[in-house]
Amino acid sequence: GQNIDQPTEMTATEGAIVQINCTYQTSGFNGLFWYQQHAGEAPTFLSYNVLDGLEEKGRFSSFLSRSKGYSYLLLKELQMKDSASYLCAVRDNTDKLIFGTGTRLQVFP
Amino acid sequence: DTEVTQTPKHLVMGMTNKKSLKCEQHMGHRAMYWYKQKAKKPPELMFVYSYEKLSINESVPSRFSPECPNSSLLNLHLHALQPEDSALYLCASSPLMNRESYEQYFGPGTRLTVT
Repeated sequence: GQNIDQPTEMTATEGAIVQINCTYQTSGFNGLFWYQQHAGEAPTFLSYNVLDGLEEKGRFSSFLSRSKGYSYLLLKELQMKDSASYLCAVRDNTDKLIFGTGTRLQVFP
Repeated sequence: DTEVTQTPKHLVMGMTNKKSLKCEQHMGHRAMYWYKQKAKKPPELMFVYSYEKLSINESVPSRFSPECPNSSLLNLHLHALQPEDSALYLCASSPLMNRESYEQYFGPGTRLTVT
């Protein structure tokens, strides 16, 4: 079966660093995506990993270990506007995007 | 233009009504998707169109009927829905549905309430 796990909720302070973990067990693997979704809005693309290692994009970085079925999203210099849900999604061997349950991040001043 | 648009933003319908949701993109994307998202849950894939042909139907009940009139438009026809079908319906598109790093671009969604 398909299983993607993320913590349900996390809190952090403005200016801090937070790491959101994602573990997956899927029918094949053709890449892992991170999306940000503010309440009532559409998901927006943050990052994509298909090879092991770290991808950095400004304040956001994403890491992948395929052998461990593990990824994390690292958010640096947190801002209030980073309060949102963060969705980990895996493209399986049928090219479908399977979403995790999402992590709701609250950033406090 | 890197936008996926959806209309209407909000829709309230009775269980005997027939309505349609519309989605449009002008990015030249050849794959389009319908997702259903309940509150505090991740999006669940419903349908995928690739080159205007239905390529994936995730065992969605027949009261949901997708249509892709051309490469820019995607419709979702609704008939005899149930209250549990109330959700945010998201449309997305991507350049192709293959194994390259093509992310999906999501529209703002239609908030559907079935009474």
